[in-house]
Amino acid sequence: DSGVTQTPKHLITATGQRVTLRCSPRSGDLSVYWYQQSLDQGLQFLIQYYNGEERAKGNILERFSAQQFPDLHSELNLSSLELGDSALYFCASSVDVATDTQYFGPGTRLTVL
Amino acid sequence: EDQVTQSPEALRLQEGESSSLNCSYTVSGLRGLFWYRQDPGKGPEFLFTLYSAGEEKEKERLKATLTKKESFLHITAPKPEDSATYLCAVLGSARQLTFGSGTQLTVLP
Repeated sequence: DSGVTQTPKHLITATGQRVTLRCSPRSGDLSVYWYQQSLDQGLQFLIQYYNGEERAKGNILERFSAQQFPDLHSELNLSSLELGDSALYFCASSVDVATDTQYFGPGTRLTVL
Repeated sequence: EDQVTQSPEALRLQEGESSSLNCSYTVSGLRGLFWYRQDPGKGPEFLFTLYSAGEEKEKERLKATLTKKESFLHITAPKPEDSATYLCAVLGSARQLTFGSGTQLTVLP
C-alpha cells in the first residue's frame, strides 16, 4: 500500500458525459501527478500540482482539467468523454518536485461506452 | 524530448533462471532513473531510484545498475511471484517522468 488513495475504483459512463476522479496523496506529500495508461500508449503524464498550484502540463487534452485543494487532495475532471478516453487513470504523489520518488495510487478504471 | 526504450518486451524464465532487463534512455539533464513493478490492473509499485552513473541498488532478488546511457534490472533466482511488468522511467530537466513501455516478465514454476 503506497498510501495514495483514489476513488472510485471503476467508472462506467457514456460518450459525451463528464466525470470526476479523486486522489488523496500520502501524508506529508505536497505534489500530486496525474497519469493516463492505455493499452496502446503506456503511462502518459497529464498534469502536476504542487501545494495547490499547477506546476507542469504533459499530454493533457483541453477537455480534461484538474485542481488541487487546500487539504492537498486533487480532482481530475474529464468532460465530453469519447471512447478513446477509456483507460486507467493513476494519481501519484511526492514530497517535492525536484528528484523525489513518485508513489502511485491504485488507479481508477474508466470505461466509456 | 526524453525517451525510454525497454527490452525485451516480454521475457519468460524458469524459476531460478537469472536474467537482466534493459532500459536505454536519452534525457536532457538526468535528475533520476526509476524502476517500478506493475501487476495487472494495479498501480506501479516503486522499486529503485538511481541518480548517477555507476550507482547500484539492491532489494531481495533485484539489483538495479545505471550507466550514462542505460540501466539494467538484474533478477537473480526469480520466483513465480516476481512475475509482473517492470517499468523504467527517467526524470529530466523538464521535471516530468517519461516511462518506457515496460518488460512483461513471466516466471514459470
